[in-house]
Amino acid sequence: AQSVSQHNHHVILSEAASLELGCNYSYGGTVNLFWYVQYPGQHLQLLLKYFSGDPLVKGIKGFEAEFIKSKFSFNLRKPSVQWSDTAEYFCAVNAPRSYIPTFGRGTSLIVHP
Amino acid sequence: GAGVSQSPSNKVTEKGKDVELRCDPISGHTALYWYRQRLGQGLEFLIYFQGNSAPDKSGLPSDRFSAERTGESVSTLTIQRTQQEDSAVYLCASSLDGGGTDTQYFGPGTRLTVL
Repeated sequence: AQSVSQHNHHVILSEAASLELGCNYSYGGTVNLFWYVQYPGQHLQLLLKYFSGDPLVKGIKGFEAEFIKSKFSFNLRKPSVQWSDTAEYFCAVNAPRSYIPTFGRGTSLIVHP
Repeated sequence: GAGVSQSPSNKVTEKGKDVELRCDPISGHTALYWYRQRLGQGLEFLIYFQGNSAPDKSGLPSDRFSAERTGESVSTLTIQRTQQEDSAVYLCASSLDGGGTDTQYFGPGTRLTVL
């Protein structure tokens, strides 16, 4: 069975600090990868996704993620966080021909102004 | 346009009662998912509907849980004889065609508390 691990459950940063949130999955073969974000009081929404092509994916609000197949990882990065990035971040993994994503536990990010 | 809506937003019930949760997907989206999110946990898949195909019920935790969807519109998730461990946020999501690369659009969730 697939599993998705987000090792950082709680991250606290100051504005302008760099961010990297880890996501690892345990599934052999080609996968589709997602990061979703839930801002306080809002719905879960897509941040970015990868399914083929350039393994460095750019998403909304300056976020990017890099797919490293050999490490089974899809880490989320942002060079300089803002207070408005305070949110819960979820990594999700889909295998091809699988329509049911497996979600990680989520990482709570707090950015202090 | 309208997003995914869910009702009620909050539901408090007594152990043993039945509850019904509703989801209105985005118009034109053929795929619909239900998830459960317990405090501090990730999203746990419950059930998936795609068009007129038979639903994938593989995530339903027990026979107390059931769901229906009318065509490609409203879905209801029913929990019978609720237990305290059913307390969670129940999320609904829809996507255009349910493909593996599809983006899911989530509703605000229903927070269920079983006393």
